[in-house]
Amino acid sequence: QLQLQESGPGLVKPSETLSLTCTVSGGSISSSSYYWGWIRQPPGKGLEWIGSIYYSGSTYYNPSLKSRVTISVDTSKNQFSLKLSSVTAADTAVYYCARLILQRSIDYWGQGTLVTVSS
Amino acid sequence: EIVLTQSPGTLSLSPGERATLSCRASQSVSSSYLAWYQQKPGQAPRLLIYGASSRATGIPDRFSGSGSGTDFTLTISRLEPEDFAVYYCQQYGSSHTFGQGTKLEIK
Repeated sequence: QLQLQESGPGLVKPSETLSLTCTVSGGSISSSSYYWGWIRQPPGKGLEWIGSIYYSGSTYYNPSLKSRVTISVDTSKNQFSLKLSSVTAADTAVYYCARLILQRSIDYWGQGTLVTVSS
Repeated sequence: EIVLTQSPGTLSLSPGERATLSCRASQSVSSSYLAWYQQKPGQAPRLLIYGASSRATGIPDRFSGSGSGTDFTLTISRLEPEDFAVYYCQQYGSSHTFGQGTKLEIK
């Protein structure tokens, strides 16, 4: 059974960089059938797409976040990572990592991790 | 960017009733690249429908999706107690965007 687990600091200061890692177990991140993505959800609000990556390193970002987002992949560790720079309180959210069927629907999600931006 | 608008914002129904949730796109969604997700409090979303009308693995047949172009519908034929949750549509034909959600609550 595929599992995804987010890890990283739960508290980030304003103007700093948010960094999260997703560890994939029960399957290979190098599969040609899947992309790997990040989605976030501010408390009490809806879902927002952040971006996705293929095992080869090809990336796709939400245009509204593109200038601040970097997603990378480490196939040797079966992990992919998110960096979001210059964070503000508006970036406070539950961050989910996920598996996409090609660049399409999301069939597996991590449990999510709350990241709070505060001094 | 394709904007998805879900209606109603909240739907109050009783177990056994039929639920009809709408998702309207600001422009045509190519190849019916539309999915529906269910989210319960404190949990990650769960994929219900992809390709506008295909049920994901393990999803009961009381859930069905329909539509094309700019208008899509999720129908739950007979509500079970575990179906009360928030539902999101997502388009993946042009980048990815989500609707704002419909909360299905017990009447």
